[in-house]
Amino acid sequence: DAGVTQSPTHLIKTRGQQVTLRCSPKSGHDTVSWYQQALGQGPQFIFQYYEEEERQRGNFPDRFSGHQFPNYSSELNVNALLLGDSALYLCASSLMDRHEQYFGPGTRLTVT
Amino acid sequence: GNSVTQMEGPVTLSEEAFLTINCTYTATGYPSLFWYVQYPGEGLQLLLKATKADDKGSNKGFEATYRKETTSFHLEKGSVQVSDSAVYFCALSQGAQKLVFGQGTRLTINP
Repeated sequence: DAGVTQSPTHLIKTRGQQVTLRCSPKSGHDTVSWYQQALGQGPQFIFQYYEEEERQRGNFPDRFSGHQFPNYSSELNVNALLLGDSALYLCASSLMDRHEQYFGPGTRLTVT
Repeated sequence: GNSVTQMEGPVTLSEEAFLTINCTYTATGYPSLFWYVQYPGEGLQLLLKATKADDKGSNKGFEATYRKETTSFHLEKGSVQVSDSAVYFCALSQGAQKLVFGQGTRLTINP
């Protein structure tokens, strides 16, 4: 049973560019959440998707957007990249009515 | 809003020592509480959880008890191993909503 997978593993972008990160949830899970983890910090919640809709959103600007597909996989898009967007981006999947979230290995984004 | 505070690290112990990592939280109602572990270069792994007061979560020799009266969820292990070296995060959620994490505690175990 495959766990949560994310792609790519690493990514280097230039300020002002746009990036798309991808996530496939654990088999059987219907909810995907995205987190940003800056170096040496705890993860910060970006947003959560369920039934292809954004259900919750953290304190992130509109430059951060997402999508969930009918197969429950998800994308995180970040526009107009800033140096401060450099971080590990974590995807977590869960069942909507359950508390446990299971994390993928993350995508390390570096903005230069 | 909800928040989680962990003891500041880093923490360095010798193998077979007793471990405690303190975690306290602020939340309305009765959140679910979690400990996650992050090994170098990896994502987060769920270590243990507790969903109501006085519940004890346990896994791989680690334990934590949900204390409503002290709003705490301290992580303990009786005898640590070198392989336990990692960063540990305490977290809470309410109603299967977003996870709110503490800042993490880096643990190093020396042989």
